[in-house]
Amino acid sequence: DIVLTQSPGILSLSPGERATLSCRASQSVSSSYLAWYQQKPGQAPRLLIYGASSRATGIPDRFSGSGSGTDFTLAISRLEPEDFAVYYCQRYGGSPRYTFGQGTKLEIK
Amino acid sequence: QVQLQESGPGLVKPSETLSLTCTVSGGSIGSFYWNWIRQPPGKGLEWIGYIYYSGSTNYNPSFNSRVTISVDTSKNQFSLELSSVTAADTGVYYCARGDRIYFGLWGRGTLVTVSS
Repeated sequence: DIVLTQSPGILSLSPGERATLSCRASQSVSSSYLAWYQQKPGQAPRLLIYGASSRATGIPDRFSGSGSGTDFTLAISRLEPEDFAVYYCQRYGGSPRYTFGQGTKLEIK
Repeated sequence: QVQLQESGPGLVKPSETLSLTCTVSGGSIGSFYWNWIRQPPGKGLEWIGYIYYSGSTNYNPSFNSRVTISVDTSKNQFSLELSSVTAADTGVYYCARGDRIYFGLWGRGTLVTVSS
C-alpha cells in the first residue's frame, strides 16, 4: 500500500504569511493522481487541487500545488483568515483505490 | 446545482448493521463514481468504497466483507451497509461524488455513533 505522510502535523503562521505544506508518498505517484483538500471545523472537505497542480473551480489563485514522484507541495501565498483549516492530500490508484494523508492543521499564530 | 445529502440512523448498536443513504439532487446519478468516506472523531479521512452508476463496485480491503454499496438510479440514491459494527466504526460518514481520481463534491456528512 502507498502511504501518504504529511508534514508538518501543525503549522502556526500569521495572516499574510506564506504557507508550505508537504505530502510525501512511500512510492512514486503519478502527478495526475494527487489531490489536495481543505476541511474547516464541522464542514466536509473541499477539493482545492487536482492533478497535483490544477486548481478546482472557484479556488483562489493564492493556492498552488506542485511536485512529482514522491514529493508534493501545497502552497498558500498570502494567508487569509479563512485559510486556517486542516489540509489533506489524497492519491488515486492501487489498493485501496484511494488513500489520504493524515492531515496538516494550519493554525493562527 | 448538484447536492448530496446523507440520511440514516445516528445511533447503531454494536454487532448490528449501519445503513446510510445518500440522495443526489439537482442532477443525475449517471456517469460518476459515488463514494462513501468516513472520519472518526478528531481523526483523518478513510475511503470506504464506491459504486459506479452502472453498478460496479470497489471497496477498501480494510473493511473485508463487511461493506456493501448499492445504487437506485430511479430514486437518484446510493446506499451504504456496514455490518458487524463496533465502536471503532463511530464517526462522520460522508457521501461524495468522484471523478474517478478525486472527490469533487461532498455531502455535509452524518455522525453515526456505535453504542449500546
